[in-house]
Amino acid sequence: DTGVSQDPRHKITKRGQNVTFRCDPISEHNRLYWYRQTLGQGPEFLTYFQNEAQLEKSRLLSDRFSAERPKGSFSTLEIQRTEQGDSAMYLCASSFTGVGEKLFFGSGTQLSVL
Amino acid sequence: QQQVKQSPQSLIVQKGGISIINCAYENTAFDYFPWYQQFPGKGPALLIAIRPDVSEKKEGRFTISFNKSAKQFSLHIMDSQPGDSATYFCAAFRGGNTPLVFGKGTRLSVIA
Repeated sequence: DTGVSQDPRHKITKRGQNVTFRCDPISEHNRLYWYRQTLGQGPEFLTYFQNEAQLEKSRLLSDRFSAERPKGSFSTLEIQRTEQGDSAMYLCASSFTGVGEKLFFGSGTQLSVL
Repeated sequence: QQQVKQSPQSLIVQKGGISIINCAYENTAFDYFPWYQQFPGKGPALLIAIRPDVSEKKEGRFTISFNKSAKQFSLHIMDSQPGDSATYFCAAFRGGNTPLVFGKGTRLSVIA
């Protein structure tokens, strides 16, 4: 399967714990995006990388959130001191420069904060 | 502030009927308008897209109609099938390093 891969698919954690998600984009894609989706809503942009550089961050991305993309390959999204309001589906997408608007999404990581 | 407004929130259509979902935008800098389809437990998948230089684009049973002056675009699903039951999102993009912005989605149920 050469699509976007996300791990884990589901994560249940207690409030205050740290969690980390991983995304492996389509191999030839140099752009990688993180979105968050809550029930009944569309995906909301969090942050975006071109290669290893983080180019855009949404105001939604509080100081508790950090994302990395070392070596411009896979990416991790870490949430520190999780809150119940962080419960959502975290979606990763990738694209290729020049067709940056054509996003390919993974199946997401469903986070539940108890 | 919602950059792309989508309606209706939910839609029930008889098998064989036409499903119509509408979106409106304000920012005239948007120059690419895709529709994504999402099934439960999956990420959104690109369905069809249009640029403002054309008023209509058709791919199989799916058609986008685009009205630049009204800043509106819509998705039409002809001969709707139960397998089309999913959530549909319109989106808009204005190029460069800006992200794709999504509407809130329409949950479509096609009943036999």
